Amino acid sequence: DTGVSQDPRHKITKRGQNVTFRCDPISEHNRLYWYRQTLGQGPEFLTYFQNEAQLEKSRLLSDRFSAERPKGSFSTLEIQRTEQGDSAMYLCASSLVPRPNSYEQYFGPGTRLTVT
Amino acid sequence: AQKITQTQPGMFVQEKEAVTLDCTYDTSDQSYGLFWYKQPSSGEMIFLIYQGSYDEQNATEGRYSLNFQKARKSANLVISASQLGDSAMYFCAMRDPNQAGTALIFGKGTTLSVSS
Repeated sequence: DTGVSQDPRHKITKRGQNVTFRCDPISEHNRLYWYRQTLGQGPEFLTYFQNEAQLEKSRLLSDRFSAERPKGSFSTLEIQRTEQGDSAMYLCASSLVPRPNSYEQYFGPGTRLTVT
Repeated sequence: AQKITQTQPGMFVQEKEAVTLDCTYDTSDQSYGLFWYKQPSSGEMIFLIYQGSYDEQNATEGRYSLNFQKARKSANLVISASQLGDSAMYFCAMRDPNQAGTALIFGKGTTLSVSS
């Protein structure tokens, strides 16, 4: 079990550029989540996938954000026309559901985005 | 709406002492789950412990235990015999039943500093 991985770990971009992040979940996990964490705050839910289907999106996920999980394995999160307010840590998590008695999610190391 | 409150921005403890990190929650649901995660400076969220609302006993995982007081809506994390490696940010989280995919709602976190 290699854990959840994310790439890149850090991304610096200029305002207005598009960026794409990748998440590779734990291999047998069927659910994949994206969260955003700004400085001094806890993570906030963005969206989640059950296998390849995107089943829920938060109000935080504006039209500039899009996420995919084409084959039910890895996922990508794209931000178009980045704004300075998009600067944050983007965390990916995965889980295996149903799993008796608990629903813990396992997080990756995150991608830190800085928009200049 | 569900809410998680962590009132301690920072806590300081000496090695080998026990420390309690506070968490209160607000929900009108009967079935819910509570989590604690640790986030070291590297950024990765590490799952520590889970408590289901119908669990009769307080959850324990090694040096971590959860002091669950359902009537008071509190789920405090107790770390026994603190170690230097416990220095990190700690987040209390709740499974959000409004999000079908069991997304988590997080508190703002408590920074724990362990000194020798």
